[in-house]
Amino acid sequence: ETGVTQTPRHLVMGMTNKKSLKCEQHLGHNAMYWYKQSAKKPLELMFVYSLEERVENNSVPSRFSPECPNSSHLFLHLHTLQPEDSALYLCASSQLTGANEKLFFGSGTQLSVL
Amino acid sequence: EDKVVQSPLSLVVHEGDTVTLNCSYEVTNFRSLLWYKQEKKAPTFLFMLTSSGIEKKSGRLSSILDKKELFSILNITATQTGDSAIYLCAVSGIQGAQKLVFGQGTRLTINP
Repeated sequence: ETGVTQTPRHLVMGMTNKKSLKCEQHLGHNAMYWYKQSAKKPLELMFVYSLEERVENNSVPSRFSPECPNSSHLFLHLHTLQPEDSALYLCASSQLTGANEKLFFGSGTQLSVL
Repeated sequence: EDKVVQSPLSLVVHEGDTVTLNCSYEVTNFRSLLWYKQEKKAPTFLFMLTSSGIEKKSGRLSSILDKKELFSILNITATQTGDSAIYLCAVSGIQGAQKLVFGQGTRLTINP
């Protein structure tokens, strides 16, 4: 148990569906992240929220829309996805202190787009 | 552009063997190098290295950093089937955890 909980664990959706991924951290951290993990590729940083403000948006298509209502919760809203968006989506949190910062990951949502 | 390269990408050994996993990097304003173990889905933290030549150790796992040659190694001695996992290396620059750059990972399989 890493203190970061993601739901759902698995998601199958059609290209015209709208769904949301949810992440909750119980660690009291002040930053939250969305990463995408595709087969045989490094983890790709998608979004970073620091103190509930988005500070990083790594050229992610607009069909992915993040939301961070407070420091403990993070959502990723999905709409009109493409089959190439099928991947493991990992949420993470960290405490930004300026030194020795590390990420704590959730178990991910395995997404399949048909 | 910051980059992390891990080798080998895949490794299969027998239980009891010793393995060495490699991570080389290029990053502006290096701050730290991190190792994670990903067994099923959630990567879990193993080590953080910030200084050259100081070995970090946890049981059968150990890691060391060479900031001059820009690489790190992760050693696992007397491997067990439970060590089977993907091992991820990541580096941070001046932005710290807000911009970790990950390698592709090494998939380690331990056969009984």
